[in-house]
Amino acid sequence: AQTVTQSQPEMSVQEAETVTLSCTYDTSENNYYLFWYKQPPSRQMILVIRQEAYKQQNATENRFSVNFQKAAKSFSLKISDSQLGDTAMYFCAFIDRGSTLGRLYFGRGTQLTVWP
Amino acid sequence: DADVTQTPRNRITKTGKRIMLECSQTKGHDRMYWYRQDPGLGLRLIYYSFDVKDINKGEISDGYSVSRQAQAKFSLSLESAIPNQTALYFCATSDHRRGLQETQYFGPGTRLLVL
Repeated sequence: AQTVTQSQPEMSVQEAETVTLSCTYDTSENNYYLFWYKQPPSRQMILVIRQEAYKQQNATENRFSVNFQKAAKSFSLKISDSQLGDTAMYFCAFIDRGSTLGRLYFGRGTQLTVWP
Repeated sequence: DADVTQTPRNRITKTGKRIMLECSQTKGHDRMYWYRQDPGLGLRLIYYSFDVKDINKGEISDGYSVSRQAQAKFSLSLESAIPNQTALYFCATSDHRRGLQETQYFGPGTRLLVL
């Protein structure tokens, strides 16, 4: 069974600083994707970044980057130059590309607060 | 993402009532999903549909039913609402035909309160 664990229920960071959110997952599959979604107070689920498991290079999207450690089954999100608008709940998610289910498995989320 | 819309955005209902949540998308995606979100639990899959004639149960389908009226429309019904169905409900879509099924795009959510 696929599981996704986010061990930090809450984190905070000062504006302009860097913060890293942790995620680990458990799977026996080899072909999968990993995602980080952001849910601000508006409650919209917004895709932040995705990583294909077969790619060794870590994905980056502007101020957001990941540290993907496949052997360790770790997928952390680094936010550089944090902004007040980054305040949100962040969810790590996994999908098995070979599965017919096509479903996302989510962690329980990390509430990030960026303060001035 | 305005390409995936959900109605209503908020709903209060009473125990035993039948209600329907609707989802529409203009993304042209073939796959659609319904998730529910409860505080501290992340999102859990209720139902998913790979096309109009292919509907499948997710991990928490009891008490729910769905209808895929067209490729762009996927409705979720609570036949007899109960208080523990109070949650935030999300519709999501993905595009399998172009090999992009891995990325799901979410609607704005429907907040449901069952009294």
